[in-house]
Amino acid sequence: IQLTQSPSLLSASVGDRVTLSCKGSQNINNYLAWYQQKLGEAPKLLIYNTNSLQTGIPSRFSGSGSGTDYTLTISSLQPEDVATYFCYQYNNGLTFGSGTKLEIK
Amino acid sequence: EVQLVESGGGLVQPGRSLKLSCAASGFTFSDYNMAWVRQAPTKGLEWVASISYGGSNTHYGDSVKGRFTISRDNAKSTLYLQMDSLRSEDTATYYCARHRSSYLDYFDYWGQGVMVTVSS
Repeated sequence: IQLTQSPSLLSASVGDRVTLSCKGSQNINNYLAWYQQKLGEAPKLLIYNTNSLQTGIPSRFSGSGSGTDYTLTISSLQPEDVATYFCYQYNNGLTFGSGTKLEIK
Repeated sequence: EVQLVESGGGLVQPGRSLKLSCAASGFTFSDYNMAWVRQAPTKGLEWVASISYGGSNTHYGDSVKGRFTISRDNAKSTLYLQMDSLRSEDTATYYCARHRSSYLDYFDYWGQGVMVTVSS
């Protein structure tokens, strides 16, 4: 399964509601996770099984979707959210999306 | 606290071999399926290989199948990746990662990564 993330680059202001998209080439059956990777760091799990929030992750992060289309939403963008975000599917094989780089405007 | 610490990276010539290690602590290593994930410079993430908690099952990404071997020593709480016939396209940061529960599901903890450079 191939994953297409959009946009590849997103610039938003502090406090904005931000939506990142991930589309699969086939049905993912909700076996989708989201990772945050800050510059020079390892990826960090944010969301698993489409909408389950990993322990310790702020509630401003949420996930949704079904079938082939999934979304990561940040309800109120904070400066510390600057990072690249990857979606990841584990329904059929294990594949990552190409990432969305999130910047502060 | 879960910790995964990779080692063994470095500069290696094309066609040669290298073995990575990942020392785990803070959890019962033998209870978890484990994996290696890599990231080429300025690129995205690519799953490399996974191994079941007991070591009896292994799976590999197409780009490394037949060249890389994942293994583990539960007595030493250590994961390994033997990389043979290395190519320039294997240049990447290699991360050790823990599968959350099921074999071949998502990763909940990652190491800090180790750099492997394949170049003459």
